[in-house]
Amino acid sequence: GQQVMQIPQYQHVQEGEDFTTYCNSSTTLSNIQWYKQRPGGHPVFLIQLVKSGEVKKQKRLTFQFGEAKKNSSLHITATQTTDVGTYFCAGPAGGATNKLIFGTGTLLAVQP
Amino acid sequence: DTEVTQTPKHLVMGMTNKKSLKCEQHMGHRAMYWYKQKAKKPPELMFVYSYEKLSINESVPSRFSPECPNSSLLNLHLHALQPEDSALYLCASSLSATSHEQFFGPGTRLTVL
Repeated sequence: GQQVMQIPQYQHVQEGEDFTTYCNSSTTLSNIQWYKQRPGGHPVFLIQLVKSGEVKKQKRLTFQFGEAKKNSSLHITATQTTDVGTYFCAGPAGGATNKLIFGTGTLLAVQP
Repeated sequence: DTEVTQTPKHLVMGMTNKKSLKCEQHMGHRAMYWYKQKAKKPPELMFVYSYEKLSINESVPSRFSPECPNSSLLNLHLHALQPEDSALYLCASSLSATSHEQFFGPGTRLTVL
């Protein structure tokens, strides 16, 4: 079945360092969404990318959708302690646009 | 109102109990979802309701029974659960069932003894 993998599984950085998580799907995606889940919290939507090669920025966060629409990345510049949490990418499963497959997630720890 | 609420926050139940999880949203969303999330794992889709009709059941065991009484409410009825069903149960909603961002509730932390 369709799989969405993320690397790394875990990243520990010093505050101020950059961070990147990579998302790879076994199939082409019509779009990709990113969610953040704080420890003990629930997933919160960050962004959706639709176009091949699309790049979007939200303050210190940069999201990219690959040209083949099978991979995506999230880059955080100058991490802060508020960035701590698990970042999930998610894409529609096959032709079922109402079924999201979540990536395996990357847990980010930021040391002050 | 831009939030999804879930009750209860925590639930401990025995394997012979019957309980229900409740989810509510007042954003006018027409798609609602139940997810199960184990520790350090991504959310796994269980059910999708679109316009109050069940559109996806991810081969969930019958001991989980969803119900959508109206466009704002979603229930998950639990009966004869197993200890391995202990998890965080998340409800989510989206404007429609086609590739829209999903708003998640805070979840119900379920422990089955």
